[in-house]
Amino acid sequence: DAGVIQSPRHEVTEMGQEVTLRCKPISGHDYLFWYRQTMMRGLELLIYFNNNVPIDDSGMPEDRFSAKMPNASFSTLKIQPSEPRDSAVYFCASRILTGTEAFFGQGTRLTVV
Amino acid sequence: DAKTTQPNSMESNEEEPVHLPCNHSTISGTDYIHWYRQLPSQGPEYVIHGLTSNVNNRMASLAIAEDRKSSTLILHRATLRDAAVYYCILRDNNAGNMLTFGGGTRLMVKP
Repeated sequence: DAGVIQSPRHEVTEMGQEVTLRCKPISGHDYLFWYRQTMMRGLELLIYFNNNVPIDDSGMPEDRFSAKMPNASFSTLKIQPSEPRDSAVYFCASRILTGTEAFFGQGTRLTVV
Repeated sequence: DAKTTQPNSMESNEEEPVHLPCNHSTISGTDYIHWYRQLPSQGPEYVIHGLTSNVNNRMASLAIAEDRKSSTLILHRATLRDAAVYYCILRDNNAGNMLTFGGGTRLMVKP
């Protein structure tokens, strides 16, 4: 398996634009997590899914952020409208139900100017 | 969530052992101790985990205090590729499945 795949790797957008980040988890994994990393706040959990159903979205900063998982092999994190303070590295991770180890993607570096 | 405390940074010499400490005085009986590391410009990767007994794997060893209020990640021979931020995380297997990351310890390895 190629691991957790995120796209794009880098995204530069203007304030006010819509941004969509994509994640393909490892096949057969039951959990999918979205994290955000900044220098100031470190790694923060935004939301996670179990079998495509959102379980905990308490980390989503505000209504501008939304996440979906239409099927077991794909998830999106959307920011609309984007703001400069959303600039961060966004990580997706997946894990099997009975497993311990979470596998992280390479991340998407988002810059909002 | 039970909190962990780690030193902000540590230095080591290449090919020497490294002991990375973690304090978790409020750990509960169902909390597992997990360690992840994040290499530069990469996502975190799993290192090791344990509950009560010491654990060994190909990457590292985990020594857990008898009262479970602290643990130590041991890298037996540090290499330059081990330079990373190491996170000690508690995860309650009975409540939720997320990992909550703290600040971690930045390990610098000198040649």
